[in-house]
Amino acid sequence: DIQMTQSPSSVSASVGDRVTITCRASQGISSWLAWYQQKPGKVPKLLIYAASNLQSGVPSRFSGSGSGTDFTLTISSLQPEDFATYYCQQANSFPLTFGGGTKVEIK
Amino acid sequence: EVQLLESGGGLVQPGGSLRLSCAASGFIFSRYAMSWVRQAPGKGLEWVSTTSGSGDSAFYADSVKGRFTIFRDNSRNMLNLQMNSLRAEDTAIYYCAKDRIAEPVHWFDPWGQGTLVTVSS
Repeated sequence: DIQMTQSPSSVSASVGDRVTITCRASQGISSWLAWYQQKPGKVPKLLIYAASNLQSGVPSRFSGSGSGTDFTLTISSLQPEDFATYYCQQANSFPLTFGGGTKVEIK
Repeated sequence: EVQLLESGGGLVQPGGSLRLSCAASGFIFSRYAMSWVRQAPGKGLEWVSTTSGSGDSAFYADSVKGRFTIFRDNSRNMLNLQMNSLRAEDTAIYYCAKDRIAEPVHWFDPWGQGTLVTVSS
């Protein structure tokens, strides 16, 4: 099974800050990676697919990069509505696996 | 507009059974693989199972293999999850999720609102 490790597990940031979240796969997954955002009490929402492709309707301040085993999600200028938990997910092979999540909190 | 509406959750005793359903609308259901993903209270996301658009293929997490069965009725646009031999650790919100595109690449978009399953005596 492919293990997905996210870091940090939580980050405190202010509105306007640049935030970077990393996700590492235990083996190479090419670009078969997605990022999701989940706000408290809400349903997960797809942000990025194929490592760097922005899902329709997602603000351009979100971006993804990486391939192989190392990936990043960057929020270029954090907005109040971005405080949430972010998950990566590999779609390279079954069993599909998620990272443990990164909670972005208000500083 | 794509809509996914889960039902069937509730309180069940350990060892019991439950069937979850997901009613889909707004897209050609048979063209898309569909999945169940769960989230235990206060925890992260865990993939449970995926079935192909035709229903001919199914994949399971090791934690549910042999106890859960995913199946679909393409004539009624329904996805189901039969859960047997339930354990306390199966307690979670269960989300139904559609593949983003009609290809076997399993990124989930959108997700249903979820249905809560509680396994407790």
